[in-house]
Amino acid sequence: QQQVKQSPQSLIVQKGGISIINCAYENTAFDYFPWYQQFPGKGPALLIAIRPDVSEKKEGRFTISFNKSAKQFSLHIMDSQPGDSATYFCAARRDYKLSFGAGTTVTVRA
Amino acid sequence: DTAVSQTPKYLVTQMGNDKSIKCEQNLGHDTMYWYKQDSKKFLKIMFSYNNKELIINETVPNRFSPKSPDKAHLNLHINSLELGDSAVYFCASSQQQTDTQYFGPGTRLTVL
Repeated sequence: QQQVKQSPQSLIVQKGGISIINCAYENTAFDYFPWYQQFPGKGPALLIAIRPDVSEKKEGRFTISFNKSAKQFSLHIMDSQPGDSATYFCAARRDYKLSFGAGTTVTVRA
Repeated sequence: DTAVSQTPKYLVTQMGNDKSIKCEQNLGHDTMYWYKQDSKKFLKIMFSYNNKELIINETVPNRFSPKSPDKAHLNLHINSLELGDSAVYFCASSQQQTDTQYFGPGTRLTVL
């Protein structure tokens, strides 16, 4: 069964808008929460990651918000650009093993 | 100078055949992985090797057998291919099991 639940499955945003992707987990043993970005025909690439003792991490236009008590975390893409159009995966790690969410396809309209 | 490379990129074969996918990394990492991405893009780990030792072996049919001849290579051999094996297979590597995983470009396997 999926250990990390991700939503929405897809979203469309206008250029300059904000994209928000949400993930939830149950297992409190997870110790590391990365987000991966995947373009068509390519492998996933690490975008940004957070540990559970931090509530927010920002890198450029990408921000992870982490709510440990709610067991939820989210990715915010600010000022979305057409080049951000990709599939985004949240993940959680336990015992050196990554469990991925189902992915969110983001389309940024110019 | 590709970091994680896989061959072939595409593989089309008949049911019942045996095939191999090769992976090489030139990052000097000590841990390598195989993932399967199904038609709905769901990514699931299959195997992981650390210093040529198998450390993760998920619930994968024993028709799948990974082989790590050295730290830079992790190959995946699949026997008696089935329709359900059709997917994109990704190799990845990391320096130690806790560091960032770098993925290869994937091998799209189609079983007819």
